[in-house]
Amino acid sequence: KAGVTQTPRYLIKTRGQQVTLSCSPISGHRSVSWYQQTPGQGLQFLFEYFSETQRNKGNFPGRFSGRQFSNSRSEMNVSTLELGDSALYLCASSLEGREYDTQYFGPGTRLTVL
Amino acid sequence: AQTVTQSQPEMSVQEAETVTLSCTYDTSESDYYLFWYKQPPSRQMILVIRQEAYKQQNATENRFSVNFQKAAKSFSLKISDSQLGDAAMYFCAYRSGNTGTASKLTFGTGTRLQVTL
Repeated sequence: KAGVTQTPRYLIKTRGQQVTLSCSPISGHRSVSWYQQTPGQGLQFLFEYFSETQRNKGNFPGRFSGRQFSNSRSEMNVSTLELGDSALYLCASSLEGREYDTQYFGPGTRLTVL
Repeated sequence: AQTVTQSQPEMSVQEAETVTLSCTYDTSESDYYLFWYKQPPSRQMILVIRQEAYKQQNATENRFSVNFQKAAKSFSLKISDSQLGDAAMYFCAYRSGNTGTASKLTFGTGTRLQVTL
């Protein structure tokens, strides 16, 4: 079974621009979570989508948004980019159910904001 | 809010030796899960081991095992017979058993493990 895939792997943007990152979960996984990883703040939870609905949200400004499609693929969008948005963005997918909800991560998208 | 603390920023171990990485957490919940993830230089986060808080028995996965002390809120990872491929950043993570917040993983700051010949 293919793992979680994320595209693009690397992205360079300038301040003020917006960016969209994509995540395809493991086949059969309906939950997709997003995390931001930076040297200063570590790994922080952004949000989680399940069945096309945002089910959980971290403490990030409204510039960070996401969505999920009927095939469980998810996108996250960052508008009006700031230098501090430079980070590795990780996507993770999981099944539902108490014994099956371990999150499996993709390789990440490295975003650099200049 | 739950917190996860990894007090060892860096550790070093010789090949074939055993090393233990420490993790403590703070929570008022009784139902939760704990994980160790490994992040090698490739940046892909890989699950190492998972522990359910309601299970007394410590989880093991081949050369990896945990020492889960629920009362002390401690969750250490032991790597036996260390291999060069074990060199990576190791993150301890907590997830609530509460379905309302269950999807969120709270991570520690990580321990960088070096494996030497």
